[in-house]
Amino acid sequence: DTAVSQTPKYLVTQMGNDKSIKCEQNLGHDTMYWYKQDSKKFLKIMFSYNNKELIINETVPNRFSPKSPDKAHLNLHINSLELGDSAVYFCASSQDRTARGYFGAGTRLSVL
Amino acid sequence: GENVEQHPSTLSVQEGDSAVIKCTYSDSASNYFPWYKQELGKGPQLIIDIRSNVGEKKDQRIAVTLNKTAKHFSLHITETQPEDSAVYFCAASRKPASGTYKYIFGTGTRLKVLA
Repeated sequence: DTAVSQTPKYLVTQMGNDKSIKCEQNLGHDTMYWYKQDSKKFLKIMFSYNNKELIINETVPNRFSPKSPDKAHLNLHINSLELGDSAVYFCASSQDRTARGYFGAGTRLSVL
Repeated sequence: GENVEQHPSTLSVQEGDSAVIKCTYSDSASNYFPWYKQELGKGPQLIIDIRSNVGEKKDQRIAVTLNKTAKHFSLHITETQPEDSAVYFCAASRKPASGTYKYIFGTGTRLKVLA
């Protein structure tokens, strides 16, 4: 069983469209994250949620809106996609007690 | 702001040799330091971690050392094998009184093990 699973794996879309990425973890962790990895492989945190509550919101445009319906799911909705949004987006989860983070396989978003 | 520097950016070693990757962090309150391996087309995978109350940790061919005074930590891979080829990331993190751990990642090291 995949611990952190995100869908879709690839997403190709036109500028201006709205798209969503879904993430689920079956590890029973309290905290979930979204990270963005740019073309130079740099990994940067975007958001974190703890028990459905937004904890970290880095300086991300408000076109990005995370939603956590329950502590096992954290989805990312992106409005009015721009060329610069092209990247690989990773979902991750961790348990507060250990701090160990586990990542999904990533969603490669290409905005044309 | 918080920053983690990682060196080298690329590293090529002969199979069987050792590889060392070094990181320096800026936030003296950091207390948890994981290392991740990312293979092509996959997500980062946790390979080893160390907490601030420990100076060294080893797991088979992989070891991590931490110098809190100098704010340095390093990954050591011995007897490298071709399957060790990947991008390696260090990270530093801490948990504020009310909040969750926030990882600050290094810029990555592309390790190539030559057969």
